[in-house]
Amino acid sequence: KAGVTQTPRYLIKTRGQQVTLSCSPISGHRSVSWYQQTPGQGLQFLFEYFSETQRNKGNFPGRFSGRQFSNSRSEMNVSTLELGDSALYLCASSPMVSFSGDEQYFGPGTRLTVT
Amino acid sequence: GQQLNQSPQSMFIQEGEDVSMNCTSSSIFNTWLWYKQDPGEGPVLLIALYKAGELTSNGRLTAQFGITRKDSFLNISASIPSDVGIYFCAGFGGAQKLVFGQGTRLTINP
Repeated sequence: KAGVTQTPRYLIKTRGQQVTLSCSPISGHRSVSWYQQTPGQGLQFLFEYFSETQRNKGNFPGRFSGRQFSNSRSEMNVSTLELGDSALYLCASSPMVSFSGDEQYFGPGTRLTVT
Repeated sequence: GQQLNQSPQSMFIQEGEDVSMNCTSSSIFNTWLWYKQDPGEGPVLLIALYKAGELTSNGRLTAQFGITRKDSFLNISASIPSDVGIYFCAGFGGAQKLVFGQGTRLTINP
């Protein structure tokens, strides 16, 4: 069974631009969560989507948004990029909405560099 | 955002030594989890704990869910080179989201 895939793996953007990252969950998984990983703040929860609906949201500004499609694939978008948005963005999929956290399988991440 | 207090931040040990790391929180969690992350990869779940006081093993790894539900520890016995990486604790609670520690970077001298 293929794991969680994220595209692209690496991305370089300029301040002020916007970016869209993609996540394809494990086949049959219907929930997708997004996390930001930085050296300073560590791993921070962004949001969780299930059945095309945002079920949970972390403490990030409105510049961070996401969506989920009917095939469970998910995208996240960051508008008006800032230098501090440079991070590894991780996607995790689970069969259903997370109830204990152990159902989440992480992808390899997208490394975003903002210059 | 909310984070767990994980220590130590880094460890430099000899192959064969035992390793111990822990996490504490000001909040109660229903589940404690321990992950390992290798370079260029996402975190991989090692052990999940579901009840206060629970002690669980996975090979050379042993983890415990603290009685107060606010802490957990992970032990690795007889370390080997492939244990190198970053270990994260995480708690899952009423907010229905994973909250992570800052990680412990493990380096092993052969």
